[in-house]
Amino acid sequence: GESVGLHLPTLSVQEGDNSIINCAYSNSASDYFIWYKQESGKGPQFIIDIRSNMDKRQGQRVTVLLNKTVKHLSLQIAATQPGDSAVYFCAENMGSSNTGKLIFGQGTTLQVKP
Amino acid sequence: NAGVMQNPRHLVRRRGQEARLRCSPMKGHSHVYWYRQLPEEGLKFMVYLQKENIIDESGMPKERFSAEFPKEGPSILRIQQVVRGDSAAYFCASSRQGSTTEAFFGQGTRLTVV
Repeated sequence: GESVGLHLPTLSVQEGDNSIINCAYSNSASDYFIWYKQESGKGPQFIIDIRSNMDKRQGQRVTVLLNKTVKHLSLQIAATQPGDSAVYFCAENMGSSNTGKLIFGQGTTLQVKP
Repeated sequence: NAGVMQNPRHLVRRRGQEARLRCSPMKGHSHVYWYRQLPEEGLKFMVYLQKENIIDESGMPKERFSAEFPKEGPSILRIQQVVRGDSAAYFCASSRQGSTTEAFFGQGTRLTVV
């Protein structure tokens, strides 16, 4: 079965609020994690990544947090905008094999209310 | 610099026909990955190829599915004798090196089997 899963299938937030999307993984050997954004009818778009030797990484308006103790990953989006509405996937790469194989979660739909 | 190009974007096939999906990686990228996405689900890894080599095909169904990445030309995912269960979006990603740290996805091919 899937080793990466998301806690909530749909998240609805008000424009301007912060969004937090969560992800659980089960493979302790995974050493690299990625968040993707997928808009309707399009391919996944890279948002931010983090390696297992880090617990936090920041980008533009986005922050990824990694808690290896409880195998939990989260994506925080600051000042959520209507353009952020999409499905968000976390993915893990079991780096020891480094074959390029990504394990994706089921996805969380983010709905931004104006 | 064009991104990952997939064609066709939409493909309709009758049961029993063959489907051929093409993927041209980004310029300078020699590593290609194919993923399948069923409606309302995450992406599932199928196969990882380098030029003229299949590196990891652990996600490919044992029958009817094949993939190649010739020295010249695009990568091809071939599905023989399609069945309704093959209906899905098929995404290709490419990277410069043998990892997904810099992998970029195409817009996908949506296969419908009628």
